[in-house]
Amino acid sequence: DAKTTQPPSMDCAEGRAANLPCNHSTISGNEYVYWYRQIHSQGPQYIIHGLKNNETNEMASLIITEDRKSSTLILPHATLRDTAVYYCIVSRLPGYSSASKIIFGSGTRLSIRP
Amino acid sequence: GAVVSQHPSWVICKSGTSVKIECRSLDFQATTMFWYRQFPKQSLMLMATSNEGSKATYEQGVEKDKFLINHASLTLSTLTVTSAHPEDSSFYICSAFRGVVGETQYFGPGTRLLVL
Repeated sequence: DAKTTQPPSMDCAEGRAANLPCNHSTISGNEYVYWYRQIHSQGPQYIIHGLKNNETNEMASLIITEDRKSSTLILPHATLRDTAVYYCIVSRLPGYSSASKIIFGSGTRLSIRP
Repeated sequence: GAVVSQHPSWVICKSGTSVKIECRSLDFQATTMFWYRQFPKQSLMLMATSNEGSKATYEQGVEKDKFLINHASLTLSTLTVTSAHPEDSSFYICSAFRGVVGETQYFGPGTRLLVL
């Protein structure tokens, strides 16, 4: 699986947009970019995923560069509850009967300050 | 929908005993389940992939005789830590895939194991 590089930690003021970068320069054509987060002592939570177009859902927006070598997760209005470790992962899209392995990197520890 | 539960949520046991952790998909059938381990301040490490009715596939470095995985039904997978030792103390997390093309895995809340 392709590897990703993320800053180990970031902080953001409450109410502001949190922009979390991720480099995935060795991503292959059939791999998607996934974002998960893990709040302390809980299981990971899926946030969003995309192939090459920008994506938005109720939680966040995902901006993928045209060459697909990097992406940015945007939390538009960060709250204290968004404090977590955010993982950027590249993986093939799950098929009908099998799911691709998710290999977690080190992630970015996001702290939201009041 | 797509809820995954784990039982117990935490367990303390004596060294040398075996501990069983259950992972259930509550409202869907899971074709594949995954087991992860996470040590303090570290990332999740994939231990094994489990498909219903077949033997689990273990990641390199994970002892299959130490960590027994059974996936007897489409809604239940179990991880048994045999002859647990203090170094097995960790946070164990499962995830489940319900076989929908393009859909991600759903993670359980985790089980914290402390071996004394």
